[in-house]
Amino acid sequence: DAKTTQPTSMDCAEGRAANLPCNHSTISGNEYVYWYRQIHSQGPQYIIHGLKNNETNEMASLIITEDRKSSTLILPHATLRDTAVYYCIVRGNTDKLIFGTGTRLQVFP
Amino acid sequence: KAGVTQTPRYLIKTRGQQVTLSCSPISGHRSVSWYQQTPGQGLQFLFEYFSETQRNKGNFPGRFSGRQFSNSRSEMNVSTLELGDSALYLCASSGGQGFAAFFGQGTRLTVV
Repeated sequence: DAKTTQPTSMDCAEGRAANLPCNHSTISGNEYVYWYRQIHSQGPQYIIHGLKNNETNEMASLIITEDRKSSTLILPHATLRDTAVYYCIVRGNTDKLIFGTGTRLQVFP
Repeated sequence: KAGVTQTPRYLIKTRGQQVTLSCSPISGHRSVSWYQQTPGQGLQFLFEYFSETQRNKGNFPGRFSGRQFSNSRSEMNVSTLELGDSALYLCASSGGQGFAAFFGQGTRLTVV
């Protein structure tokens, strides 16, 4: 499974867009990019995933570069409840998820 | 649709004892995975079951074992507990490869 690199921490003002980057330069053609978040030792929450096209759902948007070596998770209007650790995971043809250290997003008023 | 249910939520055990944790997946999901989360090691994959067969296994000692039943419910067992086994144990279920995995709230195990 490809490894991912994320910034350790980020801040975002409430109401602004939060853009969380992820580098996955060794991703293979059949591997998906998944995003999860974890709020204070609760179970990780699924956010979104994509293969090569940009994706959007009610929670977030996922932008994947054309070469698929990096991606950005966008929370369009961050709220205090979006404060969490965000994990970017590259997942192949398996249900095994390899979690890195993630990005700790702090949304401030 | 009910989510992934893990029982119990909290557990305190003594060193040397064994423990069994339970996970009920989302209805229709046949894949169940287990993870251990500790402050020092983060979230680590333990094993994955699909249709009662273990498909993947992480790098954990043989004291950690699991199984899956015909109704897709899964249990994991840790024998001869050590202090270092204190952790949040998470279960995730999915509809199979290519589908998102959804996590339960976890079982917090404390070994004293």
